[in-house]
Amino acid sequence: SQTIHQWPATLVQPVGSPLSLECTVEGTSNPNLYWYRQAAGRGLQLLFYSVGIGQISSEVPQNLSASRPQDRQFILSSKKLLLSDSGFYLCAWSWGLGQKLFFGSGTQLSVL
Amino acid sequence: SQQGEEDPQALSIQEGENATMNCSYKTSINNLQWYRQNSGRGLVHLILIRSNEREKHSGRLRVTLDTSKKSSSLLITASRAADTASYFCATADTGNQFYFGTGTSLTVIP
Repeated sequence: SQTIHQWPATLVQPVGSPLSLECTVEGTSNPNLYWYRQAAGRGLQLLFYSVGIGQISSEVPQNLSASRPQDRQFILSSKKLLLSDSGFYLCAWSWGLGQKLFFGSGTQLSVL
Repeated sequence: SQQGEEDPQALSIQEGENATMNCSYKTSINNLQWYRQNSGRGLVHLILIRSNEREKHSGRLRVTLDTSKKSSSLLITASRAADTASYFCATADTGNQFYFGTGTSLTVIP
């Protein structure tokens, strides 16, 4: 069966510090991978998605970036965090575009 | 914005009652999906309904889709305290991009 791992669960970072969130999927090949952000009490905002290694599409211009160094690994990064980067970050995968999403357990990021 | 909107934003019912929440969207879609999120956790997929379907059932869940009105509803019958969560609709447009609504917070009182 397929599983998705996302870590860390919580993270407190100072403004201006770097960020690296990692997500890995097991039990499937060539998944579509996604990073979403959820502000408190709000819906989900798609940040990045990837349909293959090295293929990254950005939905929202920001100081975040994503990379997919391996088929089942998706990394969200920032060189310098802003206060506005605080939120709940969710990684997800699907078998194809428009198909159901399988979510990780999320990372609560607080930038202070 | 192509994001969907759920209505109501919050719903509180007694255990055993039915819960109905609605979703409206703006663009043509390939499918519409409902997800559930417990507080501080990831989302869990509940049900997918394709644009050529009008109704779908899964256990205590019933989803309807009206593409002419660009709306969908999720009905949870015989609610339980464990159904307490936030419920989101997500639309996959003709380019297969997902757009999530802002969610309905459901509280089921034992």
